[in-house]
Amino acid sequence: GENVEQHPSTLSVQEGDSAVIKCTYSDSASNYFPWYKQELGKRPQLIIDIRSNVGEKKDQRIAVTLNKTAKHFSLHITETQPEDSAVYFCAASLTDSWGKLQFGAGTQVVVTP
Amino acid sequence: DAGVTQSPTHLIKTRGQHVTLRCSPISGHKSVSWYQQVLGQGPQFIFQYYEKEERGRGNFPDRFSARQFPNYSSELNVNALLLGDSALYLCASSPGTVSEAFFGQGTRLTVV
Repeated sequence: GENVEQHPSTLSVQEGDSAVIKCTYSDSASNYFPWYKQELGKRPQLIIDIRSNVGEKKDQRIAVTLNKTAKHFSLHITETQPEDSAVYFCAASLTDSWGKLQFGAGTQVVVTP
Repeated sequence: DAGVTQSPTHLIKTRGQHVTLRCSPISGHKSVSWYQQVLGQGPQFIFQYYEKEERGRGNFPDRFSARQFPNYSSELNVNALLLGDSALYLCASSPGTVSEAFFGQGTRLTVV
């Protein structure tokens, strides 16, 4: 089955700096890669996703890149703000899997003022 | 516009008991998935249902079972509870044949 590895496990950045989280996946058939943000005690929230026919996708300060050959994808957060502090999870699945996702272990991001 | 709703939000059970968790998907979504999230880890896939049929099952023992009703709501049942079953149980709904999964707030289960 699919295995997703996520690095780093913790990331501390100064407000205004950029944060990058990297994930690798094992199943070359995976073609859908979402990212979730989970604040303490709250539900995981879908913040951005990318499909395998696209190499990069941006949404304001957030961007995701995908390298299918190397089987890795990354989340980039620019101009970080204190409200970006949370645990971020990457995931991978097949487009036709009706929401079945394989998650990474998560990255605790702390943005210090 | 209601999101995914789960009940109860918190639950304390004793070892050996059984528990039923409930989930109502986003209106129009026909797929429901269940995940277990242990503190400090990513969600782990348990079950997936679409149109009332089981479409996928994760690596969980037979003590875990689920079903989906005609209105697409779902129940997750866990029998013979163990201390290790203590976790946040998340329900996610999806539109159908696409993968966007939207999570409910979860049920925090504590087994004592």
